[in-house]
Amino acid sequence: GAVVSQHPSRVICKSGTSVKIECRSLDFQATTMFWYRQFPKQSLMLMATSNEGSKATYEQGVEKDKFLINHASLTLSTLTVTSAHPEDSSFYICSAEGRQGDSSGAFFGQGTRLTVV
Amino acid sequence: LAKTTQPISMDSYEGQEVNITCSHNNIATNDYITWYQQFPSQGPRFIIQGYKTKVTNEVASLFIPADRKSSTLSLPRVSLSDTAVYYCLVGDYGGATNKLIFGTGTLLAVQP
Repeated sequence: GAVVSQHPSRVICKSGTSVKIECRSLDFQATTMFWYRQFPKQSLMLMATSNEGSKATYEQGVEKDKFLINHASLTLSTLTVTSAHPEDSSFYICSAEGRQGDSSGAFFGQGTRLTVV
Repeated sequence: LAKTTQPISMDSYEGQEVNITCSHNNIATNDYITWYQQFPSQGPRFIIQGYKTKVTNEVASLFIPADRKSSTLSLPRVSLSDTAVYYCLVGDYGGATNKLIFGTGTLLAVQP
């Protein structure tokens, strides 16, 4: 099946610093990528949808100036958490939509555990 | 956007067949139904996808009635390692306005 690589898998940063998370589709081209965050024992919450070469569409309540999304190519999207604070600590997951062989749909990265101290 | 409704949790024993049903009354004509499995601190993993009738792969079967307003994921002979949260999603993959919204998911607990 299609492979989506997310990096880093775990990061600890100091309050006030910025953190960048990368999401790559390794064996297919992703026209659309999604970014989610997930709190313990809760479902995934969609933060934003990004299409290659255009601005991301953010869900209501998600600050676009705090969560910067760049989808510069068909295989790479990045999420930058700017001026991170402890309440931004969460599990962030990306998803890439595309087709690989007989499989089509959305394929997920392994997630990034962000801890802000 | 099609909203999905699933049972919050289910219990089963090793070796049993487990069926998890998802309701998606507002599914659109172009929407596909996809099921994912998620373990703690991991991203969701694709299990199976279908549009109508029945789909089977090496790990599961997916049953979709003619009206497509629901779907049932069937896991044959579950084991302890199948303990996870299972999500059903509906979406028009590749569609211009597609957004993948997660519901609550179903926490399946498999006991010895």
